[in-house]
Amino acid sequence: DIQMTQSPSSMSASVGDRVTITCRASQGISSWLAWYQQKPGKAPKLLIYAAYILQSGVPSRFSGSGSGTDFTLTISSLQPEDFATYYCQQANTIPYTFGQGTKLEIK
Amino acid sequence: EVQLVESGGGLVEPGRSLRVSCAASGFTFDDYAMHWVRQAPGKGLEWVSGITSDGSRKAYADSVKGRFTVSRDNAKNSLYLQMNSLRSEDTALYFCAKDLGRWLQYNWFDPWGQGTLVTVSS
Repeated sequence: DIQMTQSPSSMSASVGDRVTITCRASQGISSWLAWYQQKPGKAPKLLIYAAYILQSGVPSRFSGSGSGTDFTLTISSLQPEDFATYYCQQANTIPYTFGQGTKLEIK
Repeated sequence: EVQLVESGGGLVEPGRSLRVSCAASGFTFDDYAMHWVRQAPGKGLEWVSGITSDGSRKAYADSVKGRFTVSRDNAKNSLYLQMNSLRSEDTALYFCAKDLGRWLQYNWFDPWGQGTLVTVSS
């Protein structure tokens, strides 16, 4: 199975900050990567797919980059509603695996 | 509005069976592949199974292969997961999710239902 490793596992930041979360795949996955946001008690929400394509309705402050094994999710200016847990997911090879999550908390 | 509503979860003893369902609305169900993803309490996400729009191809995680069966009834706009030989490690919130494509060629999940909780315990 392809292992997905996110860093950091948790972080705190302030409203207005620029935040970057990284995701590393244990083998190359080209651009077969998605990012999801999950708030407590809610289902995950797709933010970005194919490494950099913003899903419809997602604010433009979210962006994704990378290919191969190293990927990043960037939030350009944190808003109060962005405090949540973020997961990366590879869609290159069955089983489709997720990172362990990055919990983004308010500083 | 696209809506996915899971049902059928509950408390079940180890070794027993359970079927969970997902009712879809707000989109043309038979145009899209569908998936099941689970989340153990306080843990991360684990993809469980996927099925193409016409039900012709199915895929499973190794952890459930041979025990779980995914199916769909396009006439009823419904997705199912039959879970046999349940184990304590199957305890989780089970989400259904719509794929962005028909043939399991994308495997991006959007949207997701609210989940149904399956607890395996004696």
